[in-house]
Amino acid sequence: QKEVEQDPGPLSVPEGAIVSLNCTYSNSAFQYFMWYRQYSRKGPELLMYTYSSGNKEDGRFTAQVDKSSKYISLFIRDSQPSDSATYLCAMAKDSNYQLIWGAGTKLIIKP
Amino acid sequence: GAVVSQHPSWVICKSGTSVKIECRSLDFQATTMFWYRQFPKQSLMLMATSNEGSKATYEQGVEKDKFLINHASLTLSTLTVTSAHPEDSSFYICSARDPGGQEDTQYFGPGTRLTVL
Repeated sequence: QKEVEQDPGPLSVPEGAIVSLNCTYSNSAFQYFMWYRQYSRKGPELLMYTYSSGNKEDGRFTAQVDKSSKYISLFIRDSQPSDSATYLCAMAKDSNYQLIWGAGTKLIIKP
Repeated sequence: GAVVSQHPSWVICKSGTSVKIECRSLDFQATTMFWYRQFPKQSLMLMATSNEGSKATYEQGVEKDKFLINHASLTLSTLTVTSAHPEDSSFYICSARDPGGQEDTQYFGPGTRLTVL
């Protein structure tokens, strides 16, 4: 079993829809949770960074962490075609910050 | 936010030659840099972790004599693929940790696409 599970998709939704992306994990030692966005042939771009449990909002993006369920989510409101990309979740246990990655979910926003 | 650059962005080389990829943190000092490779439609695979002034720590299965990593300064790390072969063709991405930033995490370069003929 992988430490971090993420559905690779693709996930296709119409423009303007609310998108929900998720990851589950097995190691309760993870404390830091991140979402990265990666466009084709580009490096990942940090979207959201969360420590421990709770919600964090930044513009159209909301990250949720539920440590009791070992489940994290990224919500995108008012989705745009420019949001079409692969979204990777990543987690870290401690200050060494070796990231454990999900497989990435390919998101397609249809105009 | 923290900016990381990579050079070159794309390189084609003949089998048997060596290729050097540079990773620079432009607006912060990175005590730790990471090198990843990524195959098409797959997630990132960590190759090695490098700390400034010390030897890199390689992940299991990564040949340290083939993938030479040097982290000579707080803003520069290099990855040299020695005696490259077609199976080394991949997308190589570096990241740098910004411990002094508001968010202590890894910031990624734009990647280098290596094609070995």
